[in-house]
Amino acid sequence: DADVTQTPRNRITKTGKRIMLECSQTKGHDRMYWYRQDPGLGLRLIYYSFDVKDINKGEISDGYSVSRQAQAKFSLSLESAIPNQTALYFCATHWITGPNYGYTFGSGTRLTVV
Amino acid sequence: AQTVTQSQPEMSVQEAETVTLSCTYDTSESNYYLFWYKQPPSRQMILVIRQEAYKQQNATENRFSVNFQKAAKSFSLKISDSQLGDTAMYFCAGLKDSYGKLTFGQGTILTVHP
Repeated sequence: DADVTQTPRNRITKTGKRIMLECSQTKGHDRMYWYRQDPGLGLRLIYYSFDVKDINKGEISDGYSVSRQAQAKFSLSLESAIPNQTALYFCATHWITGPNYGYTFGSGTRLTVV
Repeated sequence: AQTVTQSQPEMSVQEAETVTLSCTYDTSESNYYLFWYKQPPSRQMILVIRQEAYKQQNATENRFSVNFQKAAKSFSLKISDSQLGDTAMYFCAGLKDSYGKLTFGQGTILTVHP
């Protein structure tokens, strides 16, 4: 099993629909992040969380909400999807162990809003 | 704020040759970290190499090396002996704070031709 699992892998939804993207991890990392990737813009941070009670907005949080249901689960919701939210979404964890550190990314969810 | 800029939307190289991908960053922090990530068509984000700003020596990982010019705020990636499997999108990214928030460049699509 992957360390960070995102579901669904691909999703097409209609404008105005509510949709949830799910992320789960098996490594016990406290820090989790949601990014969106757009052509020519790279990846941009939507939300991040350090534990179930610590949720923080990133640079492009408008139109999104998140829920950290447990240490292992961090979900991203679009309350009312719009076409410019069509993008590739990544969940990631961040770990620090002494002098070592790194990130683990999920495989992404490609969301299309029509 | 930190900004990361990749000015080459696309690059191409012949198999077995060397290619350099450019990245510039802007930060006022004295302690920061820089990364190159590879994203093949599978969408997975794969760490290629990382550099700590406090280290003067340029990082190397097998065929991949960086040219870290701190004063010029430049962080280029050199790929030697290019292979067909190196074909991917490459992202430069920076980390400047203790919250683990990565700032990504726009990405460079690299194509390795046989």
